[in-house]
Amino acid sequence: NAGVTQTPKFQVLKTGQSMTLQCAQDMNHNSMYWYRQDPGMGLRLIYYSASEGTTDKGEVPNGYNVSRLNKREFSLRLESAAPSQTSVYFCASSEAPYTIYFGEGSWLTVV
Amino acid sequence: AQSVAQPEDQVNVAEGNPLTVKCTYSVSGNPYLFWYVQYPNRGLQFLLKYITGDNLVKGSYGFEAEFNKSQTSFHLKKPSALVSDSALYFCAVRDNVKGYSTLTFGKGTMLLVSP
Repeated sequence: NAGVTQTPKFQVLKTGQSMTLQCAQDMNHNSMYWYRQDPGMGLRLIYYSASEGTTDKGEVPNGYNVSRLNKREFSLRLESAAPSQTSVYFCASSEAPYTIYFGEGSWLTVV
Repeated sequence: AQSVAQPEDQVNVAEGNPLTVKCTYSVSGNPYLFWYVQYPNRGLQFLLKYITGDNLVKGSYGFEAEFNKSQTSFHLKKPSALVSDSALYFCAVRDNVKGYSTLTFGKGTMLLVSP
């Protein structure tokens, strides 16, 4: 009963390094999301994908890129990490417009 | 755009007492409202949602929420709190931005249940 799986769970990056967060869902959902969570700010949408082959910017897209590889997978890439991108990242999926289901999170620290 | 407000950063309650976590919303049109819970170092877990129908919605782990249209509120409640209910709770409203559906979250309320 996997649901939404994201990797890695923890990562430390140096400023300027790049990395990709991987996400896969096994619920056959069309919609997938990447959010970031920062203390006192709730969750903010980075990017959204309504279906395979489509992506849209959310509230805070700067510094990120995404790829909807297929219906199951939606990756988030940091091309040149900055300390301001230290955060907890959550991948999610849904059969819009209803309940969104979240992964367990990826804790990213940029030093 | 839609928005939600959780006016309390933290709620403290003794085990066995009833608990309420407050949420108010601002939407255009009919609201779709959600509650999620987050335990330490974990993802968000869906608790319950209001789409339409009965104003009292029952969800997971004994939680319920009352939708009040006139007060634009969707407060989370539980008759008898458990220490294990201690967690971060988020209220959210469905939002349609650029033609797609996502959730707009409140800032979260930390619930601490003391033994």
